[in-house]
Formats: sequence, C-alpha cells, structure tokens
Amino acid sequence: AQSVTQLGSHVSVSEGALVLLRCNYSSSVPPYLFWYVQYPNQGLQLLLKYTSAATLVKGINGFEAEFKKSETSFHLTKPSAHMSDAAEYFCAVLSGSARQLTFGSGTQLTVLP
Amino acid sequence: EAGVAQSPRYKIIEKRQSVAFWCNPISGHATLYWYQQILGQGPKLLIQFQNNGVVDDSQLPKDRFSAERLKGVDSTLKIQPAKLEDSAVYLCASSIYSGNTGELFFGEGSRLTVL
Repeated sequence: AQSVTQLGSHVSVSEGALVLLRCNYSSSVPPYLFWYVQYPNQGLQLLLKYTSAATLVKGINGFEAEFKKSETSFHLTKPSAHMSDAAEYFCAVLSGSARQLTFGSGTQLTVLP
Repeated sequence: EAGVAQSPRYKIIEKRQSVAFWCNPISGHATLYWYQQILGQGPKLLIQFQNNGVVDDSQLPKDRFSAERLKGVDSTLKIQPAKLEDSAVYLCASSIYSGNTGELFFGEGSRLTVL
C-alpha cells in the first residue's frame, strides 16, 4: 500500500523566513498526493493536490509543492512565513485498492515573531 | 455555505461506557467519512459511506464501533464499550464526489477522552 512519511514532527521558522515541510512517498505507480492544513480547533482543510499534471502545484495562502519523482518527494514550501501559518500540516496519498486517503503523521509549524 | 457539522465537540467518559457522535455533511455531498485521529498521528479512516451504503469499513473495529447513515444525509458513530485507547478526535468529512478523489471537507471533530 502506498504511504507517506513526513520528516520532522515540529518545525519552527521566523516570520518572513522560508517554510519547508518535507514529505516523501512510497509508491510504485504515479501517486495522487495532497497537503492538508489543520488550524487550532478547526477541521482539516485542503491546501493543494498533485494529480500527475504539472509537477509544481500552487495552493491556497501562498503555499506550493513540487512533485519530484527521482526523490519520491512532495515537499511543501512558502517563501515567507506569516504568523497565521502556524498550524499542523499533513501530507496524504490516495492508496489501496479503494483509493482511500492515507495521511502522514503531521508536522506542527510554529512561526516565531 | 455551511460546513460539516459535528457534535458534541468534547466528551469525557469512563472505560466500558458508550458514546455516540453525530455528523451532518455539507448539503448535497454524497460521500461521508469517519476518521480517527489519535494524538500525534495522522487521521485514520474508519468508515466510508456513499449515500446510505457502506463503501469501506475495513478498518472499523466492529466489535465495539458501529456507524450508520440513515437516509443518506447525517451519520452517527457509536462506540460501545469504550476502551482507553479510543481516546482520540473523531473527524467527519464529506465529499461531493462519489469516487475517492482525496478532496474532502472536514468538520472540527469530536474529542473523546476515555478515563
């Protein structure tokens, strides 16, 4: 079954600095990959998705992710962090015969003033 | 547009007691999911409904968990009897698509603490 691994359960950046959240996938076939964000006391919200079209995917709130097959990676980036970006971020993949959404363990992003 | 509604937001029970969670998906969404999110982990699918039929319940612990979606709209997830390891946030999500596209709308979740 396909899965994703998120490197770093906690990431801290200063306001205005680059945000880089890492996700690697295991898949023998082209995967469908997603990033979701969970703000405190809120439900998960879809940030962006990769569905084998363009390798650089742009999402909401200035986030983007690049699909790199050679590295089996789908890292999430944002050029300049804002305090409002503090949240937990989940990488996910459609996997299994039923193509269910399987989530990584999450990365908590802290933005320091 | 109203989002996915869940209740209660918080519930504390003792082990071996029962609990029920309710979910009302976004209007018109055919597919409804229940996920379990244990602290420090990503959400794990428990059950998927399409309209009022079960599509996937392979990861639902059927000896203690049950779920139904009567009339293809709102849904109830029940745990009886609860165990300590059931402490988690129970997330309901819905999708307008009948197939699994990965594009889900989540509710705020119901946080269960089992003592």
